[in-house]
Amino acid sequence: DGGITQSPKYLFRKEGQNVTLSCEQNLNHDAMYWYRQDPGQGLRLIYYSQIVNDFQKGDIAEGYSVSREKKESFPLTVTSAQKNPTAFYLCASSSGTGDNEQFFGPGTRLTVL
Amino acid sequence: SQKIEQNSEALNIQEGKTATLTCNYTNYSPAYLQWYRQDPGRGPVFLLLIRENEKEKRKERLKVTFDTTLKQSLFHITASQPADSATYLCALGDGGFKTIFGAGTRLFVKA
Repeated sequence: DGGITQSPKYLFRKEGQNVTLSCEQNLNHDAMYWYRQDPGQGLRLIYYSQIVNDFQKGDIAEGYSVSREKKESFPLTVTSAQKNPTAFYLCASSSGTGDNEQFFGPGTRLTVL
Repeated sequence: SQKIEQNSEALNIQEGKTATLTCNYTNYSPAYLQWYRQDPGRGPVFLLLIRENEKEKRKERLKVTFDTTLKQSLFHITASQPADSATYLCALGDGGFKTIFGAGTRLFVKA
């Protein structure tokens, strides 16, 4: 089955620790995205990548880092510099420029203890 | 700053009726508008896209209108069913890679 996967589904982290969220797609999409969703708010863009080995900051990139070494993979690291990391994180991919539909993964819920 | 507004109050309707959800935006000139469905604890799923030069788009029981003068889109679900209960997100794009999402409106369809 073609699709986009995220792991783990639930993640718990102690304050001061870095944690990496996985995102993999087998849709052969060039573009990939990371969003954060908080209750009562729209999805906010953290980082996006248009092509392998290239990525751009979104609206709330501070405290996060990404890499895009392979077309199918776009991991997100939540660093200890992120002041309020508890949230639902969504990864998405699309085939090209923005008017193409975005395919979302199932999400990772991160809780900082 | 760019802003998308969707009704934060949940919409409750009876099965078989038409549900109408509203998306308003300010300080933005979108090239297109998208609607997504999101179930609790899951990622959004794309439903429809309408471009700035289109007034209306239909797909099965779904209809979207787009008024760039009013800066508003209406999303209709006809003959609604309990299975349509979900949160519906509006999203705007300018043709580049960045898309702006609204907070969504929760729809409850009662049997």
